[in-house]
Amino acid sequence: GNSVTQMEGPVTLSEEAFLTINCTYTATGYPSLFWYVQYPGEGLQLLLKATKADDKGSNKGFEATYRKETTSFHLEKGSVQVSDSAVYFCALSVNTDKLIFGTGTRLQVFP
Amino acid sequence: KAGVTQTPRYLIKTRGQQVTLSCSPISGHRSVSWYQQTPGQGLQFLFEYFSETQRNKGNFPGRFSGRQFSNSRSEMNVSTLELGDSALYLCASSLSGTSDVTQYFGPGTRLTVL
Repeated sequence: GNSVTQMEGPVTLSEEAFLTINCTYTATGYPSLFWYVQYPGEGLQLLLKATKADDKGSNKGFEATYRKETTSFHLEKGSVQVSDSAVYFCALSVNTDKLIFGTGTRLQVFP
Repeated sequence: KAGVTQTPRYLIKTRGQQVTLSCSPISGHRSVSWYQQTPGQGLQFLFEYFSETQRNKGNFPGRFSGRQFSNSRSEMNVSTLELGDSALYLCASSLSGTSDVTQYFGPGTRLTVL
């Protein structure tokens, strides 16, 4: 079946450090891939997406590249801020409006 | 353009009661999906409605039901509440009918069952 695997958290970084959150997927067909972010007490916000192989999604300094050969969609940011502290979810969708999520990775950034 | 709205934001119920949650999608979006988020199980898909019809269903008991109205607004109902139903219930809307399956989420309804 379709599934998403994310690295365990929490990820703890100092401000201005480089961020990588790993995400790999298993899917039949050609999924669209997404990163969502959840701040405390809030719903999910779409951070970025990619719909086909080699696409790069980017937003607010975050980037992720759809790698079909490694079935990965790792999230990166060159310099994190305290305000980036949140839970990040990798997700996929295959030809439907149903999202399959990873378990989420908590990011904590300290000044 | 207004985002997805959900009401109420918080609910406290007791075991055995029933509850109805409401979701208004982004204007022009015709698909509404519901998800349950718990610390133990993470984010799980409940069901999806499109044009007033349930198009997709997750693996939840029949106590969980939903419907969609002609204006695309959706409601979710949980009957005979159990302690384990305590969760954040998230609604998401999407355009559907196109190649873009991006879903946009509301703030959620936090349900506590005592």
